[in-house]
Amino acid sequence: SQQGEEDPQALSIQEGENATMNCSYKTSINNLQWYRQNSGRGLVHLILIRSNEREKHSGRLRVTLDTSKKSSSLLITASRAADTASYFCATAPTGGFKTIFGAGTRLFVKA
Amino acid sequence: SQTIHQWPATLVQPVGSPLSLECTVEGTSNPNLYWYRQAAGRGLQLLFYSVGIGQISSEVPQNLSASRPQDRQFILSSKKLLLSDSGFYLCAWAGGSNNEQFFGPGTRLTVL
Repeated sequence: SQQGEEDPQALSIQEGENATMNCSYKTSINNLQWYRQNSGRGLVHLILIRSNEREKHSGRLRVTLDTSKKSSSLLITASRAADTASYFCATAPTGGFKTIFGAGTRLFVKA
Repeated sequence: SQTIHQWPATLVQPVGSPLSLECTVEGTSNPNLYWYRQAAGRGLQLLFYSVGIGQISSEVPQNLSASRPQDRQFILSSKKLLLSDSGFYLCAWAGGSNNEQFFGPGTRLTVL
């Protein structure tokens, strides 16, 4: 399967709740990135966590990385209807120019 | 600041017709450039990437080709489109060691 597998595939929550998305990968990485995509648009970079970091925060976003388990999670706290989008994790394998994207998690936040 | 342009935004083409999608980047030099395809509701499939003028790496065998005639120009082409070429095509650039990618608005291609 492709490097960078997110779960769940889809997530529906109420506004104000927290949303957690997970990502697993297979190879050694330099960093792991999370992107957001609104329907029919390009992807927007949200946050990057390096392989020697365990946790990173940006506003309402919290990302964790566990290199021993080759997994990462993205937590969006106090979700808003405007957070409705698809979220992708992407890994930058060691020694390469490519960034490998997963299939994404579709988040729907109900107002 | 850097910007990335893609055109056209939408395209409807008959099977067997040629294709040319263009992507240009402003405000940066010697970027890594990427073409991705995204099927409806799916993730991104890397098609081609380029680390310099005239340097193209192909990720999957297919009906498409790419060229980089100038430092900040990346073109995706096909001589004869197939139905399976339909999809959302995204161009992206990256610079620096992190390989953080910046995406264009995409082109939605429908082959009929």
